[in-house]
Amino acid sequence: GENVEQHPSTLSVQEGDSAVIKCTYSDSASNYFPWYKQELGKRPQLIIDIRSNVGEKKDQRIAVTLNKTAKHFSLHITETQPEDSAVYFCAASSTGFQKLVFGTGTRLLVSP
Amino acid sequence: DAGVIQSPRHEVTEMGQEVTLRCKPISGHNSLFWYRQTMMRGLELLIYFNNNVPIDDSGMPEDRFSAKMPNASFSTLKIQPSEPRDSAVYFCASSFAGKGDYGYTFGSGTRLTVV
Repeated sequence: GENVEQHPSTLSVQEGDSAVIKCTYSDSASNYFPWYKQELGKRPQLIIDIRSNVGEKKDQRIAVTLNKTAKHFSLHITETQPEDSAVYFCAASSTGFQKLVFGTGTRLLVSP
Repeated sequence: DAGVIQSPRHEVTEMGQEVTLRCKPISGHNSLFWYRQTMMRGLELLIYFNNNVPIDDSGMPEDRFSAKMPNASFSTLKIQPSEPRDSAVYFCASSFAGKGDYGYTFGSGTRLTVV
């Protein structure tokens, strides 16, 4: 089955810096790659996603890139703000029922 | 839209007791997922349903765990008997399989503590 690895497990940056989180997946049939943000004590929330027919997608300060050949995808956050502090999860899906396999999460801390 | 609704939000129970967690998916969604989240193991998929039918329950840890979806608007996850190692946050999520947008919507979760 699918296996998703995520790095780093923790990431500390200064406000205004960029942050990059990377994930690799094992199943070449995977075709959907969402990213979720989870604030302390709250539910994971979808922040951006990308499909295998697209190499990059942007939404304001957030972007995701996908390299199908290498089977990895990354989340880029520019001009980080303290409210970006949270745990970020990547995920991959290869089934028609959208069974998502999650990475282990990255705890991002943005210091003022 | 009220989103995915889970109850209870918190549950504290004694070892050996039966625990039932409840979930109401978003109306119109046809896939429902139960996840367990712990610090050690992250987000683990326990079971998921499509059109009320269980598709994959390979993540259910033991026979003590069971899940049902009697109709499109309700699902339960039951643990009987409960053990301290079952302590975790249990999330329910729903989505619409077959639509272009595949994103899950998670419920607020049930924090289970077994003492």
